[in-house]
Amino acid sequence: RKEVEQDPGPFNVPEGATVAFNCTYSNSASQSFFWYRQDCRKEPKLLMSVYSSGNEDGRFTAQLNRASQYISLLIRDSKLSDSATYLCVVKADTGFQKLVFGTGTRLLVSP
Amino acid sequence: EPEVTQTPSHQVTQMGQEVILRCVPISNHLYFYWYRQILGQKVEFLVSFYNNEISEKSEIFDDQFSVERPDGSNFTLKIRSTKLEDSAMYFCASSGIGGNEQYFGPGTRLTVT
Repeated sequence: RKEVEQDPGPFNVPEGATVAFNCTYSNSASQSFFWYRQDCRKEPKLLMSVYSSGNEDGRFTAQLNRASQYISLLIRDSKLSDSATYLCVVKADTGFQKLVFGTGTRLLVSP
Repeated sequence: EPEVTQTPSHQVTQMGQEVILRCVPISNHLYFYWYRQILGQKVEFLVSFYNNEISEKSEIFDDQFSVERPDGSNFTLKIRSTKLEDSAMYFCASSGIGGNEQYFGPGTRLTVT
């Protein structure tokens, strides 16, 4: 089983749509969770950390379900500039340990 | 906004040659990392570095690889004898006190011919 599993997509949505991405992770000891965004041939950029209580940052909402080992990202009111690959990332501890990346879900927002 | 920088942006080298990839982490960060991404594949961890020593390394990080912090600002990755399969994007990252959130540099694209 992959450590972090994501639907590769692509998800094709019109501007203004709401889109949701899901991710599952295999290591039950994982303690920290993140969503990164990666544009083509660019570096991963931290979008948001994911907390147990769920958290929201503007149009973005992240949820964590530890029992099901499942993480989600919801994007409301999609913009053209949201087109990118969204990477689900986990870490075994809250310290300086390695990040484990999923393969990413590609989002294409069209006019 | 402080950021991680990397040089060069693109390096082309012949198989068997040594390459050094350079990174300047965010200035008050204490933890440093190298990751790589082969074209079309996921980002993979190579090594983490703290307090002037390696704290963790992956199976990819074999004897051909080494890291160094030669001064107070630079963090380098050396590949001693490059192979074709080393062709990838190499990302440096750093994190601050607590080490939880990691910030990535723009990457060095390494092409081995």
